[in-house]
Amino acid sequence: AQKVTQAQTEISVVEKEDVTLDCVYETRDTTYYLFWYKQPPSGELVFLIRRNSFDEQNEISGRYSWNFQKSTSSFNFTITASQVVDSAVYFCALSEAENYGQNFVFGPGTRLSVLP
Amino acid sequence: KAGVTQTPRYLIKTRGQQVTLSCSPISGHRSVSWYQQTPGQGLQFLFEYFSETQRNKGNFPGRFSGRQFSNSRSEMNVSTLELGDSALYLCASSPREGNTYEQYFGPGTRLTVT
Repeated sequence: AQKVTQAQTEISVVEKEDVTLDCVYETRDTTYYLFWYKQPPSGELVFLIRRNSFDEQNEISGRYSWNFQKSTSSFNFTITASQVVDSAVYFCALSEAENYGQNFVFGPGTRLSVLP
Repeated sequence: KAGVTQTPRYLIKTRGQQVTLSCSPISGHRSVSWYQQTPGQGLQFLFEYFSETQRNKGNFPGRFSGRQFSNSRSEMNVSTLELGDSALYLCASSPREGNTYEQYFGPGTRLTVT
């Protein structure tokens, strides 16, 4: 069965610090998709990134970057020069294409607090 | 484009009652998925509808059901409410079928069962 682990329950950093959120996943499928979503205090989940299992290139989008490593089944998310507006709960998620969405699993989330 | 909208935003029901939640997807999106979020269980997938057909279903009892209309709007129904059904119910729309594409979430309906 698929599983997503986010070992860090809560992280607190001071503004301008870099922070990495860890995500480790388990799947037996060869084709799968990984996602990161942000849930700010308002409650609405915001899509950040989607990555398929065949694309191991790291991605950078502004202050955000993602490191996908199949060898360690990890898909970590780094925020550079964090800002107070980055405070939110961040979820990593996994979808197995071969199960066609029947197994879409979110991790438990990491609550990030960025202090001014 | 307008985002995903959900109504009502808050709801209080009594055990044993039933409830219907509504979701309007982003214009042009034909896939609508529903999720339950609780402090204990986190975010759990309920089901997905595409072109008025349920495509996928999570591990929830039959008390949880849904439907999708020809305009892609979706409703979710929970019958015989239990205290454990208290949760934030999130709806998400996607331009394509299946949960392998990015989803856009609504603000949720917070259901409290007393």
